[in-house]
Amino acid sequence: NAGVTQTPKFRILKIGQSMTLQCTQDMNHNYMYWYRQDPGMGLKLIYYSVGAGITDKGEVPNGYNVSRSTTEDFPLRLELAAPSQTSVYFCASSYTGGDNQPQHFGDGTRLSIL
Amino acid sequence: GENVEQHPSTLSVQEGDSAVIKCTYSDSASNYFPWYKQELGKRPQLIIDIRSNVGEKKDQRIAVTLNKTAKHFSLHITETQPEDSAVYFCAAALGYKLIFGSGTRLLVRP
Repeated sequence: NAGVTQTPKFRILKIGQSMTLQCTQDMNHNYMYWYRQDPGMGLKLIYYSVGAGITDKGEVPNGYNVSRSTTEDFPLRLELAAPSQTSVYFCASSYTGGDNQPQHFGDGTRLSIL
Repeated sequence: GENVEQHPSTLSVQEGDSAVIKCTYSDSASNYFPWYKQELGKRPQLIIDIRSNVGEKKDQRIAVTLNKTAKHFSLHITETQPEDSAVYFCAAALGYKLIFGSGTRLLVRP
């Protein structure tokens, strides 16, 4: 049971490039989340999904897009990378929504935009 | 929207002493409050959580208390050990989402 798996672990992008951060979970969780964590700071919610085909914006969605075509996968897309998007990105999942079950986190993707 | 404030931002204690981290939240509809521990370069990991129908919960050396009237909750670590050194985050659930505090960096001095 792998839990929440994120790829890649590290990536360096040039300004204006695009990339997709992958997230997959094998716990049959309905709810999935993307957070960013800037150095020395807390976690900010980017997007979340309550099930396949359903996504919604969090606190800081600008510059990002998501899709949820399957229960297992929840990729995060950066279309035009900007230095302000340099951060560590964490994907998380839970069986039900935030007020009922804990969220389980992946190991994160450390992204630098130069 | 929900706002979670966490204090202190840094905390240094002697090994064996207790540590207390406090959080306040703004939305009275919040009813689930997890605490996460994050070691340097690692993922946040759940260490304890509490729901609104409970005032206190313990798990070995860690405990969490909740005061719904005052809208604050606290993490208590007793008999601290060097391996407790990490960043601790509180969170409050509102609907489908968790709102996180800004974190407390705990240093346990041997």
